[in-house]
Amino acid sequence: DTEVTQTPKHLVMGMTNKKSLKCEQHMGHRAMYWYKQKAKKPPELMFVYSYEKLSINESVPSRFSPECPNSSLLNLHLHALQPEDSALYLCASSQVPGTSGTYEQYFGPGTRLTVT
Amino acid sequence: DAKTTQPNSMESNEEEPVHLPCNHSTISGTDYIHWYRQLPSQGPEYVIHGLTSNVNNRMASLAIAEDRKSSTLILHRATLRDAAVYYCILRDDYGGSQGNLIFGKGTKLSVKP
Repeated sequence: DTEVTQTPKHLVMGMTNKKSLKCEQHMGHRAMYWYKQKAKKPPELMFVYSYEKLSINESVPSRFSPECPNSSLLNLHLHALQPEDSALYLCASSQVPGTSGTYEQYFGPGTRLTVT
Repeated sequence: DAKTTQPNSMESNEEEPVHLPCNHSTISGTDYIHWYRQLPSQGPEYVIHGLTSNVNNRMASLAIAEDRKSSTLILHRATLRDAAVYYCILRDDYGGSQGNLIFGKGTKLSVKP
């Protein structure tokens, strides 16, 4: 099973709402990632988790709050977002860097978020 | 991570070979060359990677220049399903990159029937 699943596929939320994006993988990967992709732009790294601990936060605003409750799950909690946060949010997983040579990232299909 | 330069777009005919170039003149000795592609409405997917030698897999071939300042992704027979944005990414897989993929603008490949 080389699949990364993300739910929901689409999400519309108001600026005062609280919502969460979910990501799941069962490949035994211990590194998980959140990327943000605006329309017609490349993906941009937001967060990296390694062994369920946050290892990289690319200066993301605090209205985005990641969580890694176990080795298979990754959440992104959203609160008080702005319309400019509307984007495709991609989750990915891989083996932990340095543990077994080079390693590829497996991406989910993304959650298309619209903030109104 | 070192930067890469790719053409914004390329066009190919179905069932013909496609050569997608990537320039990376500031590549360091420990940078691997990775290629990912993103089909419409999907997340990126891994295509191939290499360090110094040419590489082949079921999806594509990767030709790396002797000085490593450029590389070419080769799709041997393009299909309509290969229409995607192709990203060439450098990553120090043994250094402190921590697995990060830094995406550039990529090349949008169109395939004509």
